[in-house]
Amino acid sequence: DQQVKQNSPSLSVQEGRISILNCDYTNSMFDYFLWYKKYPAEGPTFLISISSIKDKNEDGRFTVFLNKSAKHLSLHIVPSQPGDSAVYFCAASTTGANSKLTFGKGITLSVRP
Amino acid sequence: EAGVVQSPRYKIIEKKQPVAFWCNPISGHNTLYWYLQNLGQGPELLIRYENEEAVDDSQLPKDRFSAERLKGVDSTLKIQPAELGDSAVYLCASSRGPSWAEQFFGPGTRLTVL
Repeated sequence: DQQVKQNSPSLSVQEGRISILNCDYTNSMFDYFLWYKKYPAEGPTFLISISSIKDKNEDGRFTVFLNKSAKHLSLHIVPSQPGDSAVYFCAASTTGANSKLTFGKGITLSVRP
Repeated sequence: EAGVVQSPRYKIIEKKQPVAFWCNPISGHNTLYWYLQNLGQGPELLIRYENEEAVDDSQLPKDRFSAERLKGVDSTLKIQPAELGDSAVYLCASSRGPSWAEQFFGPGTRLTVL
């Protein structure tokens, strides 16, 4: 049973426009969420995170929004750039002693020049 | 700061053969993780080490998989014997802080079992 779901396998956007990547989770105990970016033949790279005590976290062109009641988070990239083309993984965790990251399947983002 | 180093990057073996993967974490990172990533899936945790102690190996298939982290620095993951279904990318990650926070991943080893 997938506890972290990224239902759209791919997204294509025009350079300069907004990219919105969605993620849903089912485990209400999750209280920390992360986004990772992965280029081909490389390992995932941490992008941005958010704690459940917040509903928004911003870092440059990247903003993550968290809706706890809907168990939904989204990553906004504005403006999108061709170099943002990659696979984006959503991950979630509890913050207890034996926590671990649970990843979604990933979304492939293509930014067209 | 050097990143997480893994070797080999690619490995092709026949089924029933043994295989080993090596990982050197970022200096000073006490926590080391091994993940399995199947095609089209996200990484799944196999084992987590705090220094030299395996604190979470609940997802490690112990009949054929083993891991060690002698001296609490680099680590080796072994499969013996390998099966066709083991074909995947094996990722190593490390962190300084808690396991729910940012982890730093290596490039992975892509294993193909024929």
